[in-house]
Amino acid sequence: QQQVRQSPQSLTVWEGETAILNCSYENSAFDYFPWYQQFPGEGPALLIAIRSVSDKKEDGRFTIFFNKREKKLSLHITDSQPGDSATYFCAAVATGGNNKLTFGQGTILSVIP
Amino acid sequence: GGIITQTPKFLIGQEGQKLTLKCQQNFNHDTMYWYRQDSGKGLRLIYYSITENDLQKGDLSEGYDASREKKSSFSLTVTSAQKNEMAVFLCASCRDWVNYAEQFFGPGTRLTVL
Repeated sequence: QQQVRQSPQSLTVWEGETAILNCSYENSAFDYFPWYQQFPGEGPALLIAIRSVSDKKEDGRFTIFFNKREKKLSLHITDSQPGDSATYFCAAVATGGNNKLTFGQGTILSVIP
Repeated sequence: GGIITQTPKFLIGQEGQKLTLKCQQNFNHDTMYWYRQDSGKGLRLIYYSITENDLQKGDLSEGYDASREKKSSFSLTVTSAQKNEMAVFLCASCRDWVNYAEQFFGPGTRLTVL
């Protein structure tokens, strides 16, 4: 059972456009949602994260929008750059119990110059 | 700051072979993890260790053994490599098990079984 789902599987945008990566989850106990960015040949690295008490988290060109009622969130990358080309993983954790992350299957983003 | 080192970077094995992957971290973190990454399937937890001398099975532990030799090192053994298996094995560590803390990842070991 896939508790965290991401769409699309792959996404191609032109440089300067906004890329939108989607994520949904099933477990209502999840209350913290980190997004990880992974470049080829490297391990994932934390990009940005949001707590379920917030509906928006912004960090430069990266913004998470969170809808608790629908159990959905999305990562918006504005003014996309070729250097943003990577795989993005949405993850979820129920804090206060253990630090066990559940990952989505990832979205491969390609930004064309 | 700190770093996670995984060895080897590439591992080629034969069907049925026992293979060992190693991970070292210098963050002085208590908790360490082993994940398997397959194309299109995200990261799946194989084993984790909350503190030194602790070992816990993850969702994908069958076919694997793990060992937390000391606080800074965590090894994973593929007990019998499966033919045509290809995956990336990622080691991670974090400061705290109980409260959410960022997990830091190593660069991975890429396994190919002939």
